[in-house]
Amino acid sequence: AQSVSQHNHHVILSEAASLELGCNYSYGGTVNLFWYVQYPGQHLQLLLKYFSGDPLVKGIKGFEAEFIKSKFSFNLRKPSVQWSDTAEYFCAVNPHSGNTPLVFGKGTRLSVIA
Amino acid sequence: DGGITQSPKYLFRKEGQNVTLSCEQNLNHDAMYWYRQDPGQGLRLIYYSQIVNDFQKGDIAEGYSVSREKKESFPLTVTSAQKNPTAFYLCASSARTGIDGYTFGSGTRLTVV
Repeated sequence: AQSVSQHNHHVILSEAASLELGCNYSYGGTVNLFWYVQYPGQHLQLLLKYFSGDPLVKGIKGFEAEFIKSKFSFNLRKPSVQWSDTAEYFCAVNPHSGNTPLVFGKGTRLSVIA
Repeated sequence: DGGITQSPKYLFRKEGQNVTLSCEQNLNHDAMYWYRQDPGQGLRLIYYSQIVNDFQKGDIAEGYSVSREKKESFPLTVTSAQKNPTAFYLCASSARTGIDGYTFGSGTRLTVV
C-alpha cells in the first residue's frame, strides 16, 4: 500500500526565514504528487501539483516543490515565509492513472512568528 | 460559484445514535470522497465513489456507510458501530481521473456527547 511520510510535525519559523517541508512516499510506479494547505478555520486548498515534466513545480503564494524520483521525495519550499503562511501543510500522492484516491501524509503544522 | 457544501458545520450526537453528514457539489465532478481528519493523523479515507450508484471502502470504513444516488450528493452516515466518531469530517470531489487534484468542502465537526 502507498504511504506518505512528512517528517516534521510542527515547524516554527520567524518571518523572512526560508522554509523546507519534507515529504517522502512509498510507491514503486509513476505517481501524481500534491501539496495542500489548510489555513486556520479554512478548507484545504491546493498549493501545487506534479504529474510529469519539469521536476521543479511552482505553486501559489511563492511556494515551490521539487520532485526527486531517486529519493521518492517531493519537498515543499519557500524562500521567505510570512506570518500569513501559518497553516497546516499536507503532502498527498496517488498513482499516475489517477483512479486511486489520494493518500495523505499526517501533515506539518507551520507557525510563523513575527 | 461552483464548490462543495458540507452541512452542518458542527454536529453533536449522543452515543448510540446514527447521524448523517451532508455533502453536495455543483462542480459536475464524477468522483467524491470522505476523509476523516484527526489531530496528528492527517486525512484518512473513509469511502469514495467514482460514479453514481457505486462506491468503495477506504482505509477506515468500519462504522460508516454512504450512498451515491445522485452525482451531486454523497452523504455519510456515522453509525453507532463507529467506536470513536468524534472527529472532523471532510468531503471532496474531483474529475474521474483526479489529475487536477481535489476540491474540498469546509468540513463538519462531529462531537459525540
